[in-house]
Amino acid sequence: GENVGLHLPTLSVQEGDNSIINCAYSNSASDYFIWYKQESGKGPQFIIDIRSNMDKRQGQRVTVLLNKTVKHLSLQIAATQPGDSAVYFCAENIWGGSEKLVFGKGTKLTVNP
Amino acid sequence: ETGVTQTPRHLVMGMTNKKSLKCEQHLGHNAMYWYKQSAKKPLELMFVYNFKEQTENNSVPSRFSPECPNSSHLFLHLHTLQPEDSALYLCASSPPGGTGTGPLHFGNGTRLTVT
Repeated sequence: GENVGLHLPTLSVQEGDNSIINCAYSNSASDYFIWYKQESGKGPQFIIDIRSNMDKRQGQRVTVLLNKTVKHLSLQIAATQPGDSAVYFCAENIWGGSEKLVFGKGTKLTVNP
Repeated sequence: ETGVTQTPRHLVMGMTNKKSLKCEQHLGHNAMYWYKQSAKKPLELMFVYNFKEQTENNSVPSRFSPECPNSSHLFLHLHTLQPEDSALYLCASSPPGGTGTGPLHFGNGTRLTVT
């Protein structure tokens, strides 16, 4: 069934440390994955995406890893800053009759100065 | 500035009121979406429009009525809502070709409170 979930609902890190946010998905046919950041009072903001024919993609201070064998997605944030404090969502693109994007519940990241 | 603008940002309405939420995108996209975000729940897809045509209604109650006059504008008309409809309503847009083509771009939402 459709199930995009997160291993931890909250994550607290020290400023300057690296952060890793995890996401499990259940549909092995999903072909596209996206990470979003949502700050308080704002809508989800696109961070980085990855297609199923890749296992790693890097952006500015962020890296997404995709492990299709265990259906696991992770977001790594290097040198975490207070401005990174937000809720992070993963989403998977599923084909099942119609194409749709299914979101996880989110992980709240708190960066301590 | 997200390229997707939603108004109003906050709305309080009684159960007998009629109100509308507005969304406008300046990204040249052809697909527009309404999502509902409730506390501690994943984003729930409500409606999808592609080139002004509704292509998805995710079993949404008829007290929510969408309207898409053109590819840049999307409305959500509300009437006789229930308190459990209180939530953040998010509009999004994307390029044509489906949700696998590229990421959705979201507005900052309308925080709706039904009293």
